[in-house]
Amino acid sequence: AQKVTQVQTEISVVEKEDVTLDCVYETRDTTYYLFWYKQPPSGELVFLIRRNSFDEQNEISGRYSWNFQKSTSSFNFTITASQVVDSAVYFCALSGGSSNTGKLIFGQGTTLQVKP
Amino acid sequence: GAVVSQHPSWVICKSGTSVKIECRSLDFQATTMFWYRQFPKQSLMLMATSNEGSKATYEQGVEKDKFLINHASLTLSTLTVTSAHPEDSSFYICSASAPTALQETQYFGPGTRLLVL
Repeated sequence: AQKVTQVQTEISVVEKEDVTLDCVYETRDTTYYLFWYKQPPSGELVFLIRRNSFDEQNEISGRYSWNFQKSTSSFNFTITASQVVDSAVYFCALSGGSSNTGKLIFGQGTTLQVKP
Repeated sequence: GAVVSQHPSWVICKSGTSVKIECRSLDFQATTMFWYRQFPKQSLMLMATSNEGSKATYEQGVEKDKFLINHASLTLSTLTVTSAHPEDSSFYICSASAPTALQETQYFGPGTRLLVL
């Protein structure tokens, strides 16, 4: 069975601090995809990144960076120099596998609050 | 690119009425659309997977006669909540994926907040 765990329910930081959101996944499949989505108070899910299981290169996009480690089944997300606009719920998700239905398995989400 | 719209964004209705929610992919053709439900402070729960031209596949525990899904074209899927009751009040979100390089990535609509009185 596939599963995504985000152990941090809520994180509160002060603006300009760095913050890392943890994500651990479980799957028996060798081919899969990992995602991060941002859900601001408006409710819309914003796609941030997709990683396939064969690409372990870390990625940086502006203040965002992602650390994918298959050895520990983790796909952590770091925001550098956080800003108030980063306040949102962040979801890690997993899809793919032998059935390849495209279904997303979501973690429970981490609520990030960035205080000015 | 990869924009998904939903309409309406808000709906308030009386118990017993039916509500239709539309999900459209604006700049790509979506062979597969997904419908989710989200309760406050909870994660997204997949309700059903909708493929163009075929019947939707519902997740366990989701009543297909209660939540009617139609995916008549590559850019439009609809979710109808039939005979809505207060417990159906929730945030409904659709997503779409494309049969190209965008496949395997779901792009989400802005969601529809349903309140049943």
